[in-house]
Amino acid sequence: DQQVKQNSPSLSVQEGRISILNCDYTNSMFDYFLWYKKYPAEGPTFLISISSIKDKNEDGRFTVFLNKSAKHLSLHIVPSQPGDSAVYFCAAKEKGTYKYIFGTGTRLKVLA
Amino acid sequence: GAGVSQSPSNKVTEKGKDVELRCDPISGHTALYWYRQSLGQGLEFLIYFQGNSAPDKSGLPSDRFSAERTGGSVSTLTIQRTQQEDSAVYLCASSSGVSNYGYTFGSGTRLTVV
Repeated sequence: DQQVKQNSPSLSVQEGRISILNCDYTNSMFDYFLWYKKYPAEGPTFLISISSIKDKNEDGRFTVFLNKSAKHLSLHIVPSQPGDSAVYFCAAKEKGTYKYIFGTGTRLKVLA
Repeated sequence: GAGVSQSPSNKVTEKGKDVELRCDPISGHTALYWYRQSLGQGLEFLIYFQGNSAPDKSGLPSDRFSAERTGGSVSTLTIQRTQQEDSAVYLCASSSGVSNYGYTFGSGTRLTVV
């Protein structure tokens, strides 16, 4: 049973427009959520995080939104750049635990 | 070291052979994690080390898989009698404890079982 789901395997966006990547989860005990970015042949790199006590966290072009009632997380990238083309994973962990559970990833392609 | 180092970066092995994958975490990081990514799948948790002990081995898929960590540093993931379904990218990560900022991942070892 997948506790963290990314239902869109891929997304294409024009350069300069907004990219919205979505993530749904089932476990109400998750207290921390992360987004990772992965380029081919490299390990995932941390992008942005959000605590369950917040509903928004912003870092430059990246904003993560958390809707706890809907158990939904989204990552907004604006403006999108060709260098943002990568696979994006969302991940979540339960309070007091160490283990992050990852979604299956969404491949973002930003078209120049 | 400056980052998490994994070796080899690529490994092709024959079905039935044993393989060892190595992870050298960031110096001082007490927590070490192994994940794997099979084709079209997310990152699947395998095992977690805190120091040299492994409080959670729940993700190891079978008893053919084992891992150890020595000196609170380097870890080795061993797969015995490899099968084709073991083909995946094996990723190691480390952190300085229970982390709300996730882990630092290595570049992974791509294992292909033929």
